[in-house]
Amino acid sequence: KQEVTQIPAALSVPEGENLVLNCSFTDSAIYNLQWFRQDPGKGLTSLLLIQSSQREQTSGRLNASLDKSSGRSTLYIAASQPGDSATYLCAVRGDYMDSNYQLIWGAGTKLIIKP
Amino acid sequence: DVKVTQSSRYLVKRTGEKVFLECVQDMDHENMFWYRQDPGLGLRLIYFSYDVKMKEKGDIPEGYSVSREKKERFSLILESASTNQTSMYLCASTGLAGMYGTDTQYFGPGTRLTVL
Repeated sequence: KQEVTQIPAALSVPEGENLVLNCSFTDSAIYNLQWFRQDPGKGLTSLLLIQSSQREQTSGRLNASLDKSSGRSTLYIAASQPGDSATYLCAVRGDYMDSNYQLIWGAGTKLIIKP
Repeated sequence: DVKVTQSSRYLVKRTGEKVFLECVQDMDHENMFWYRQDPGLGLRLIYFSYDVKMKEKGDIPEGYSVSREKKERFSLILESASTNQTSMYLCASTGLAGMYGTDTQYFGPGTRLTVL
């Protein structure tokens, strides 16, 4: 059964630093991996979606990488800003016929950027 | 822009009450989902629907039911609310592109339900 882990659960860094969030998954047979952002008390917003055939995706200051063979993905945030403070979640979609559209979720990393 | 709306942001109910949570999406999406989110547990899928009047159980369907009478609307029903159903409930939708893995799920703002 696929399990998704995000470590650390919380991270606090000064503004301006580059940082990396980690996501690991136990079964490399995935269809895609997504990174989401969640602001306190709100819904989720998709940041990046990486197909299983891709190695990375970029959007502005965000870069997500995927290494299927090692079961790892990283989200790199460049020049962090206080507005980046949020919880970041990763989710994988299994490469199974019976997975339907189910995503398997990590518990998230709560990021605090200190001014 | 895709918009997914949920009927309430905050809801307080008493044990044993019947609770309806409604979700509406405006992008003609085929697929809709209900999740609950609890600290340390991440998101867990309760039910999803891939068409009108169709539903599939997710990982934790016990104590819940759903209804999808119209394509844009997906309702989550707690037949007899219990304190362990206190949680954040998130609705999401995705179209055919999402079904084929090239698009994401779009989420509503969530409903924080407290059962006393």
